[in-house]
Amino acid sequence: GDSVTQMEGPVTLSEEAFLTINCTYTATGYPSLFWYVQYPGEGLQLLLKATKADDKGSNKGFEATYRKETTSFHLEKGSVQVSDSAVYFCALRNTGGFKTIFGAGTRLFVKA
Amino acid sequence: DGGITQSPKYLFRKEGQNVTLSCEQNLNHDAMYWYRQDPGQGLRLIYYSQIVNDFQKGDIAEGYSVSREKKESFPLTVTSAQKNPTAFYLCASSTFGTGVTGELFFGEGSRLTVL
Repeated sequence: GDSVTQMEGPVTLSEEAFLTINCTYTATGYPSLFWYVQYPGEGLQLLLKATKADDKGSNKGFEATYRKETTSFHLEKGSVQVSDSAVYFCALRNTGGFKTIFGAGTRLFVKA
Repeated sequence: DGGITQSPKYLFRKEGQNVTLSCEQNLNHDAMYWYRQDPGQGLRLIYYSQIVNDFQKGDIAEGYSVSREKKESFPLTVTSAQKNPTAFYLCASSTFGTGVTGELFFGEGSRLTVL
């Protein structure tokens, strides 16, 4: 079945450091890919998405590129801030499908 | 503003009691979902509904029940049969269909603690 694997956390960085959170997927068909973010005590919110191969999703300085050849969707940010501390979830959903498959989440701590 | 409202935010339950978590959306989405999140873990799907008066079991439906009598409402009942109900519960909604990416919109969550 479809699945998402993302790097285990926690990831601890200093402010202004470069961030990469790895995500790979297994899917039949041609899924859309997502990154969601969850701040402490809150629900998830969509951070960015990509719907087809080579698409780049971007938002708030975060980027991820849909790589079909490596089945990956790694999240990157050039300079993290303390306010980026949260849990990040990689997810996929087949177009027209009903279910979203989530990775286990990666907790990010950013130190001032 | 459109969105999803979950209530209550915090709930305490004694063992053997049923509790119902409310979820209301004004996004005009057809599909609604309930997820369970345990500390340090990802999201697990409990139930989902594509249309009024219809719903399907997710991966961990045992000990839970739902109803979908109105498009905007999808309440979850945690029954006494659920062996380990202490968790963070998230409601979500989305559109679906051909050509639709179907990103999820989440509520703020309800934290249930069994005493």
